[in-house]
Amino acid sequence: NAGVTQTPKFQVLKTGQSMTLQCAQDMNHEYMSWYRQDPGMGLRLIHYSVGAGITDQGEVPNGYNVSRSTTEDFPLRLLSAAPSQTSVYFCASSYAGQEHSVYFGPGTRLLVL
Amino acid sequence: SQQGEEDPQALSIQEGENATMNCSYKTSINNLQWYRQNSGRGLVHLILIRSNEREKHSGRLRVTLDTSKKSSSLLITASRAADTASYFCATVNSGGSNYKLTFGKGTLLTVNP
Repeated sequence: NAGVTQTPKFQVLKTGQSMTLQCAQDMNHEYMSWYRQDPGMGLRLIHYSVGAGITDQGEVPNGYNVSRSTTEDFPLRLLSAAPSQTSVYFCASSYAGQEHSVYFGPGTRLLVL
Repeated sequence: SQQGEEDPQALSIQEGENATMNCSYKTSINNLQWYRQNSGRGLVHLILIRSNEREKHSGRLRVTLDTSKKSSSLLITASRAADTASYFCATVNSGGSNYKLTFGKGTLLTVNP
């Protein structure tokens, strides 16, 4: 199994540009989530999904959209990039429930100029 | 908002020594999890302790949980240089689930050879 994969690994954007961060998992996990990590901070939840066709907002959703058309994929869209969105983005997945291990992707480092 | 707060923010020890990190949280939880993050990498799940458990072991790791004090500790025994990483606690709040982890800011552990 490849686990949780993310592309790209690194991206530079100009303010106002849009882009999609890709996330895929091959473990048939129901739950998928997007987090952002800023220097000196823990991870903060952006959006999450409990299954195909179901998404909801996390703690810091503004400026981001998500969709979940398949179990495997959970892309994160930046609608109009801002310097405040410069961060490292992590996708995570797990089986449904409270006590399963959560698997994280390697991250996408985004710089918005 | 940040749920967990790790203490200390940074810890430097010699190989073979024990390392203890603490985590405090604010709300009622279902479980608390510890993760490791090597520099520039994704997070790796280490151990989960349920709210009705007080202590749990996994290899060189020992986790304790005190729900009356809303705190947890992670002990790494006989540390190795390869244990150098950031360690985060994350909580699943009561009524919540694995798609919504609330992270602390982390402890940076350096193990010197």
